[in-house]
Amino acid sequence: GNSVTQMEGPVTLSEEAFLTINCTYTATGYPSLFWYVQYPGEGLQLLLKATKADDKGSNKGFEATYRKETTSFHLEKGSVQVSDSAVYFCALYNQGGKLIFGQGTELSVKP
Amino acid sequence: NAGVTQTPKFRILKIGQSMTLQCTQDMNHNYMYWYRQDPGMGLKLIYYSVGAGITDKGEVPNGYNVSRSTTEDFPLRLELAAPSQTSVYFCASSSAGGYTGELFFGEGSRLTVL
Repeated sequence: GNSVTQMEGPVTLSEEAFLTINCTYTATGYPSLFWYVQYPGEGLQLLLKATKADDKGSNKGFEATYRKETTSFHLEKGSVQVSDSAVYFCALYNQGGKLIFGQGTELSVKP
Repeated sequence: NAGVTQTPKFRILKIGQSMTLQCTQDMNHNYMYWYRQDPGMGLKLIYYSVGAGITDKGEVPNGYNVSRSTTEDFPLRLELAAPSQTSVYFCASSSAGGYTGELFFGEGSRLTVL
């Protein structure tokens, strides 16, 4: 079946540090991959996406590259800010009209 | 620009009580979803709908019911509430069934069953 696995949190970084949040997936065929972000007290919102192998999604300084050979979609940012503190969810869409989410990774950025 | 609206935002129930979580969207989206979010467990799909009159079970449907009589509304009914249903519930909608990845989420409803 389809599944998404993310690195355990919480992740605590200092401002301007480099961020990587690992995400790997299991799926048949060619899924589309996504990162969602949830700020405190809010619902999830789409951060970026990639719909085919080797695509790079990017938004707000975040990037992720769809790697079919390693079934991965790791989220990266070169210099995090306090305002990036949130929970990040990796997700995949394969078929059937549903998104499958990972368990979420909490990021805390200290000034 | 309302988007997806959920009510209530907070609710405390006693074991065995019933209630309905309301969800309304004003984007004319065909696809609607109910997820629950438990700490460290991510989001689990409870029920979803691909259009008015059509609903289907997700990963964790037991103890819940839904209906979809209109495009706009997708209420979630909890019958005989149990402590295991203590969670944060999110309603979401999409125009393309997740194909584009963009689900629009409500702000969530925090339910406590005591």
